[in-house]
Amino acid sequence: EMQMVESGGGLIQPGGSLRLSCAASGFAVSYKYMSWVRQAPGKGLEWVSIIYSGGTTYYTDSVKGRFTISRDISKNTLWLQMNSLRVEDTAVYFCATSEGYFDNWGQGTLVTVSS
Amino acid sequence: DIQMTQSPSILSASVEDRVTITCRASQSISNWLAWYQQKPGKAPQLLIYKASSLQIGVPSRFSGSGSGTEFTLTISSLQSDDFATYYCQQYNSYPYTFGQGTKLEIK
Repeated sequence: EMQMVESGGGLIQPGGSLRLSCAASGFAVSYKYMSWVRQAPGKGLEWVSIIYSGGTTYYTDSVKGRFTISRDISKNTLWLQMNSLRVEDTAVYFCATSEGYFDNWGQGTLVTVSS
Repeated sequence: DIQMTQSPSILSASVEDRVTITCRASQSISNWLAWYQQKPGKAPQLLIYKASSLQIGVPSRFSGSGSGTEFTLTISSLQSDDFATYYCQQYNSYPYTFGQGTKLEIK
């Protein structure tokens, strides 16, 4: 069974950094396209970033230059390094397998950016 | 960026009703469209991909149609478990974008 568990969220001040992890089981992250999707409190869904099985990455404009998606094959884990965090980055962050659509999701981890 | 607009934003219905949610794209996305169901505090669940393909394990009362810029999600006979928020999503081009959501409420 494919499963993903996110961690690393928490309360952080504006301008700070945080690294989210998504530990996968039941499949190899290196063979899948993987995405991060976020949801601000009480709001809709927003795609953040994707990494292809070949390593190509894409980002939504609002996080370009601040967030970096990567993976650790030995740990079978997806990462999201988030720098220069802003109040508007406050959200639950989900990792998901991605064939364009998102077919398997983790439970999410909450990131709160506040002073 | 491709804008996705859902209507209505809130839909009140009763068990066994047939309901339809519409999603419009700001430009043609062929059939690169997915539908999700989300319940409070939970991750979204994929219902439909490629506009009309039913995800494995999803009940057959859910169906999707459309192409180009206009799409619909239909639930043929509402069950109590279906009251949730529904989102459409285009994956024709980056950035992938979602509709704002349709909250399906019990009448």
